[in-house]
Amino acid sequence: DVQMTQSPTYLSASVGDRVTITCRASQSIYTYLNWYQQRPGKAPKLLIYAASSLQSGVPSRFSGSGSGTEFTLTISSLQPEDFATYYCQQSFNTLWTFGQGTKVEIK
Amino acid sequence: QVQLQESGPGLVKPSETLSLTCTVSGGSMKTYFWSWIRQAPGKGLEWIGYVDYSGNTNYNPSLASRVTISLDTSKNQFFLNLTSVTVADSAVYYCARDHSGFSSDYFDFWGQGALVSVSS
Repeated sequence: DVQMTQSPTYLSASVGDRVTITCRASQSIYTYLNWYQQRPGKAPKLLIYAASSLQSGVPSRFSGSGSGTEFTLTISSLQPEDFATYYCQQSFNTLWTFGQGTKVEIK
Repeated sequence: QVQLQESGPGLVKPSETLSLTCTVSGGSMKTYFWSWIRQAPGKGLEWIGYVDYSGNTNYNPSLASRVTISLDTSKNQFFLNLTSVTVADSAVYYCARDHSGFSSDYFDFWGQGALVSVSS
């Protein structure tokens, strides 16, 4: 299995802050990396696919970067609706795996 | 707009079989994979497996001995059967469309989730 490790697990931030979440893979996954946002009680929502491609309809304040084993999700200016849990997911091999999640909380 | 909707019992007894249906509307099931993903209370996401339009399947090895995913394209539905359930299988179960592309595979549409509790 490809293990995905996110950091931090919890993040406290204020509206307007720039936020960065890191995801590391246990082996190279090239750019087979996706990011999701999950609000409480809701299904996950796709934000970024293939490491850096913005899903249609997702605000441009979200961006993704990285390749190989290290990836980042950046929110350029945190908005109230962005307080949620974020998951990375690899699709390099046919056993899809997710990171453990990063919860972004209001400071 | 593609929509997915899970349905099935919300309570299953230990050792019995969990069965869920996902109904797809607003789009064709062709050329996509169709996945089940679960989330135990307060935990992260676990991919269970997928079925493609031809009926080929791929399962998470940790669940493969107990899982069957199938589809009925005439009804635009796909199904999850999980046998011999225990309390550890209590979770919200999501169905999702798996967009398989050259650059990445990703889940672009999700159902709202179905809470299944395993209890006697």
